[in-house]
Amino acid sequence: SYVLTQPPSVSLAPGQTARITCGGDNIGSKIVHWYQQRPGQAPVLVVYDDTDRASGIPERFSGSNSGNTATLTISGVEAGDEADYYCEVWDRSSDTCVFGPGTKVTVL
Amino acid sequence: EIQLLESGGGVVRPGGSLTLSCAASGFIFNDYGMRWVRQAPGKGLEWVAGINWYGESTGYGDSVKGRFIISRDNAKNSLYLQMNNLRAEDTALYYCARDGSGPHYRGYLADWGKGTAVTVSS
Repeated sequence: SYVLTQPPSVSLAPGQTARITCGGDNIGSKIVHWYQQRPGQAPVLVVYDDTDRASGIPERFSGSNSGNTATLTISGVEAGDEADYYCEVWDRSSDTCVFGPGTKVTVL
Repeated sequence: EIQLLESGGGVVRPGGSLTLSCAASGFIFNDYGMRWVRQAPGKGLEWVAGINWYGESTGYGDSVKGRFIISRDNAKNSLYLQMNNLRAEDTALYYCARDGSGPHYRGYLADWGKGTAVTVSS
């Protein structure tokens, strides 16, 4: 089955740019979605269809997808961005949904 | 405002059964595919099952295939998950989610409920 990889954690200071990667075999040929999950809360859609920002999500959030890596970029990270971030794809070959293991973003 | 409200969680013994429900409001329920996603304590997200707008197409994650059944009642704006032969590893918070891309269940999850907790323990 298709496997996605994400760094376990990313730590950065306020105002810096966070780049959260999601790796997978030729992931650039798939459609990637990103979710934010703050502690104790349900996930929230952040970016869908590789690059589209979900409703209500600040412009600081952006997505890209090419080759073997998809990336969620948070420009000018804020304390409120502290959360776990998950990537997701639909694997057509197995007809199943696959989530990445998640990346914990910490704002120092 | 779109709302998804899960219910039916609880404590059940291994081998037992439980049925979860999700009451949907704020959107035309039968226009969208729906999914169940779960999260074990301290772990990541795992897809459980999906169903298309009229319920004639369903899909399941490998870990629940043959044990869980997803269904929906469009007249009641409700989604269900019948869980049979439960195992300790099914212990998780179960989320109901709306597929924002439309009638199928293979798109992005635009809206999520707050979840209902299932504990499988003897």
